[in-house]
Amino acid sequence: GDSVTQMEGPVTLSEEAFLTINCTYTATGYPSLFWYVQYPGEGLQLLLKATKADDKGSNKGFEATYRKETTSFHLEKGSVQVSDSAVYFCALQLSSNTGKLIFGQGTTLQVKP
Amino acid sequence: KAGVTQTPRYLIKTRGQQVTLSCSPISGHRSVSWYQQTPGQGLQFLFEYFSETQRNKGNFPGRFSGRQFSNSRSEMNVSTLELGDSALYLCASSLAGTGKGSPLHFGNGTRLTVT
Repeated sequence: GDSVTQMEGPVTLSEEAFLTINCTYTATGYPSLFWYVQYPGEGLQLLLKATKADDKGSNKGFEATYRKETTSFHLEKGSVQVSDSAVYFCALQLSSNTGKLIFGQGTTLQVKP
Repeated sequence: KAGVTQTPRYLIKTRGQQVTLSCSPISGHRSVSWYQQTPGQGLQFLFEYFSETQRNKGNFPGRFSGRQFSNSRSEMNVSTLELGDSALYLCASSLAGTGKGSPLHFGNGTRLTVT
């Protein structure tokens, strides 16, 4: 069935380090892909999205490229800050006409000063 | 523009009771979806309502139900609560149907504890 797999955490980095969080998916058709972030005690916030192959989503220094050939959507940031500490979720949406997302398990990122 | 509002933020209930959670979507959003978040199972889709009709449903027992009102506000109900229903319940609204990749906007959730 349709699914999303994320690298297991927690990921611990020093401030200004390079971040990669891996995400791969299995889906029929051509899904849209998303990264959401969740801060403690809060709901999910949309970080970025891509709707077709080779699209690059970007926001707040984070980037992810929709790679259909490798069914991946890895999240990257060149220089992380302490304020980036949160849980990151990769998700796919199979159809534009739905509020149903399939989420990965989430990856906890901790950035130390 | 106000975000998605969920009430209450916290609930403590006893096994066997029932509970109702409320969600007010962003103004203009007609789709409301509900998710259950637990440490073990992660984020799981419960159901989606669009224009007062259930449009999608996840794999949850019939004890979980919902509805949507004409102003797009939504409620979900869980009857005969079990300990395993303890979770963070998240509501999300969207302009679903307006194009590919229409994102979901989430509320801060209702934390339900069943004792």
